[in-house]
Amino acid sequence: DAGVIQSPRHEVTEMGQEVTLRCKPISGHDYLFWYRQTMMRGLELLIYFNNNVPIDDSGMPEDRFSAKMPNASFSTLKIQPSEPRDSAVYFCASSPGQGSEQYFGPGTRLTVT
Amino acid sequence: KNQVEQSPQSLIILEGKNCTLQCNYTVSPFSNLRWYKQDTGRGPVSLTIMTFSENTKSNGRYTATLDADTKQSSLHITASQLSDSASYICVVDSSYGNKLVFGAGTILRVKS
Repeated sequence: DAGVIQSPRHEVTEMGQEVTLRCKPISGHDYLFWYRQTMMRGLELLIYFNNNVPIDDSGMPEDRFSAKMPNASFSTLKIQPSEPRDSAVYFCASSPGQGSEQYFGPGTRLTVT
Repeated sequence: KNQVEQSPQSLIILEGKNCTLQCNYTVSPFSNLRWYKQDTGRGPVSLTIMTFSENTKSNGRYTATLDADTKQSSLHITASQLSDSASYICVVDSSYGNKLVFGAGTILRVKS
């Protein structure tokens, strides 16, 4: 298996623009997680899905952030409008079941200028 | 407040030496404790997962211990290699994998 796939790997955008991050989980995994990592705050859970349904989005910082999972093999995290403080590395992870190991993707490094 | 604290923040050791990283947590309820290794520019990779009843678990040269009474864990690396240079993150699972609480990590540098 290719593991969790994320795209793009790097994204540089200007403040106010819309940003869409993409994730393809490992086939057969029922759980998908979006995380954000910064030097100041470390890794933080933003939202997670179970069987394509959002279960907990309490970590989403504000309404500018939204996430979807239209099918079992694809998820997006959208930021609209983007701000400089959104600059971070965004990770997607998937897991085969509750309490199981999470497999992380390589991350998307987002820079908002 | 659920917290995971790691020490030291950073560590430099010579290749071939052993080292131990520490993790204290105040997360409740407790489901399991995980150690992840994160290489620069990559996503975290799981090293060990320990439940409440497990005191120790090994993965090659990595051995994790857990004292659920004192809420402490350690990760011991034996005969370090240059490839061990990475950030090591202690993570406590408070909801069976769905609400992980992350420590800030210990940055380990192994030099020759």
